Amino acid sequence: ILNVEQSPQSLHVQEGDSTNFTCSFPSSNFYALHWYRWETAKSPEALFVMTLNGDEKKKGRISATLNTKEGYSYLYIKGSQPEDSATYLCAFNDYKLSFGAGTTVTVRA
Amino acid sequence: EPEVTQTPSHQVTQMGQEVILRCVPISNHLYFYWYRQILGQKVEFLVSFYNNEISEKSEIFDDQFSVERPDGSNFTLKIRSTKLEDSAMYFCASRPDLSRWSNSPLHFGNGTRLTVT
Repeated sequence: ILNVEQSPQSLHVQEGDSTNFTCSFPSSNFYALHWYRWETAKSPEALFVMTLNGDEKKKGRISATLNTKEGYSYLYIKGSQPEDSATYLCAFNDYKLSFGAGTTVTVRA
Repeated sequence: EPEVTQTPSHQVTQMGQEVILRCVPISNHLYFYWYRQILGQKVEFLVSFYNNEISEKSEIFDDQFSVERPDGSNFTLKIRSTKLEDSAMYFCASRPDLSRWSNSPLHFGNGTRLTVT
């Protein structure tokens, strides 16, 4: 069983503030890392699939970086808005996706 | 935008009963998955399915579980004799490409909450 860890488990952010959180994964046999955003009562929605060491991807105010040598990825939210409130899941692609427990972000207006 | 649909959204069943969870993947997708999340735990892989056969399965996916794609559109998960510990949110997912190793993101359904009493 692959150990994919996310921290923190939850965080509260004031509207307009920026935040970031971490996903750590095994650094050996890396293929790809996925990030998903999961809003309550909805389906997890893909944000990024990251494959190369040093990759940085951006979607609006959300961006992610990847370090495969040390086995971590950061997700950043710039200028948080209430609609960013969700659980953010990372998943290590060992052909079946092994998920972390998620970071639940609550943005306070 | 096409989406993965799952029915029912909530299923309550008694221990020992059989349940079938249904999914309609996106129409041109070729690889299908079932995942589950027990309350408070991580999302766990159950099974992947391609070309009408199981591609991979986890240790959770024992003889009590089965999957099939009976008619080319539906993708079902059957639990033959449910246990209390089967209570979870079950997610279906799909992706378009053929390769076992793929960089395509998964497209998830909204899930079926299974409650076994």
